[in-house]
Amino acid sequence: NAGVMQNPRHLVRRRGQEARLRCSPMKGHSHVYWYRQLPEEGLKFMVYLQKENIIDESGMPKERFSAEFPKEGPSILRIQQVVRGDSAAYFCASSPSTRGNEQFFGPGTRLTVL
Amino acid sequence: GQQVMQIPQYQHVQEGEDFTTYCNSSTTLSNIQWYKQRPGGHPVFLIQLVKSGEVKKQKRLTFQFGEAKKNSSLHITATQTTDVGTYFCAGIDNNDMRFGAGTRLTVKP
Repeated sequence: NAGVMQNPRHLVRRRGQEARLRCSPMKGHSHVYWYRQLPEEGLKFMVYLQKENIIDESGMPKERFSAEFPKEGPSILRIQQVVRGDSAAYFCASSPSTRGNEQFFGPGTRLTVL
Repeated sequence: GQQVMQIPQYQHVQEGEDFTTYCNSSTTLSNIQWYKQRPGGHPVFLIQLVKSGEVKKQKRLTFQFGEAKKNSSLHITATQTTDVGTYFCAGIDNNDMRFGAGTRLTVKP
């Protein structure tokens, strides 16, 4: 039973480019969460999605960031016109039901903006 | 909104010493979860506490949930080098979940 999968594991972008991070939740999980972690810091909640719906995006920056979880395929976190401050580890987690349940984390995508 | 504070931010211990991290919420929680993240790794679920005053043990780890359901602690007895990592609490309140900043534990052999 495969766990949460994220790709790419490492992503390098130049300032102004776009970054697309993908997350495939565990089989049977319909709830996906995205977190950002700066070096030596904690997990910052970004967005919570169910299939085709954004439930809570209170942690998402207002500009350049967007997320989706389509009916088919992985969840995508998209960062447009990346800046150096976007460099971080981005973790995806999934759960079978509501947010109060155990979350299973993927290995993360380490984004470096040059 | 809900805020979850975790202390200390860092803790360095000698192998064999005990370690405790504390988690405090600004609101009453329905439940609390604890996660461990090894250096370079991803967070892994350890346990969930639901009941007021609940105490759970996992080998050398003891988890407590306060009577008022606003605070929690994780205590490790006789630390080992394998305990190294960052320990996060996550408070759940009305389907809103917030992580603490974590306590980073280092263990000197």
